[in-house]
Amino acid sequence: ELKVEQNPLFLSMQEGKNYTIYCNYSTTSDRLYWYRQDPGKSLESLFVLLSNGAVKQEGRLMASLDTKARLSTLHITAAVHDLSATYFCAVRFLHETGTASKLTFGTGTRLQVTL
Amino acid sequence: NAGVTQTPKFRVLKTGQSMTLLCAQDMNHEYMYWYRQDPGMGLRLIHYSVGEGTTAKGEVPDGYNVSRLKKQNFLLGLESAAPSQTSVYFCASSYDGALFLRGNTIYFGEGSWLTVV
Repeated sequence: ELKVEQNPLFLSMQEGKNYTIYCNYSTTSDRLYWYRQDPGKSLESLFVLLSNGAVKQEGRLMASLDTKARLSTLHITAAVHDLSATYFCAVRFLHETGTASKLTFGTGTRLQVTL
Repeated sequence: NAGVTQTPKFRVLKTGQSMTLLCAQDMNHEYMYWYRQDPGMGLRLIHYSVGEGTTAKGEVPDGYNVSRLKKQNFLLGLESAAPSQTSVYFCASSYDGALFLRGNTIYFGEGSWLTVV
């Protein structure tokens, strides 16, 4: 069964603090995405991670991928209020034939950064 | 550049009514997807398409039908709406068509809020 699990589901943190969101998935994948969603809005692409050991950074957000552990992390450094949003990871699972497959989302992590 | 456009953005239906959500993309993408988003459940794939004239079932296809008659359009139909189909629906598209296609991004529409009463 294709599963993508995120934790925590809800995270309240103070400005200036660091924290990590975790994304575990159940079977072989060739890429992992991180998205941000503001309330009532669509999904904004943050990162696409394509290979084991991949690390990408944008501002205060850094994403990494460990394909052997089937784990991705989204690390937040020195959080600011503007980062308050819901963050989703999404995993592209492979068909047996090796062709591209569907994208399965985690349940999301709602991040609230307080002043 | 419009990207991915969904219509309508808001709709209220009575139980048993039918309707069609339209998704249009102007990026010449092969893959198109319909997701629904419910509180605490992330996004769940309803149906997807890997090219014009092809469709496939996702995780939660029951009660929905889709068509991809033109490459740029992906239609999601509800034949007999039920309250359980109250949700936010997102369409998405991407270039994916090959296993090793790199640097791909999936683009999402703005969402369609559907309420079935």
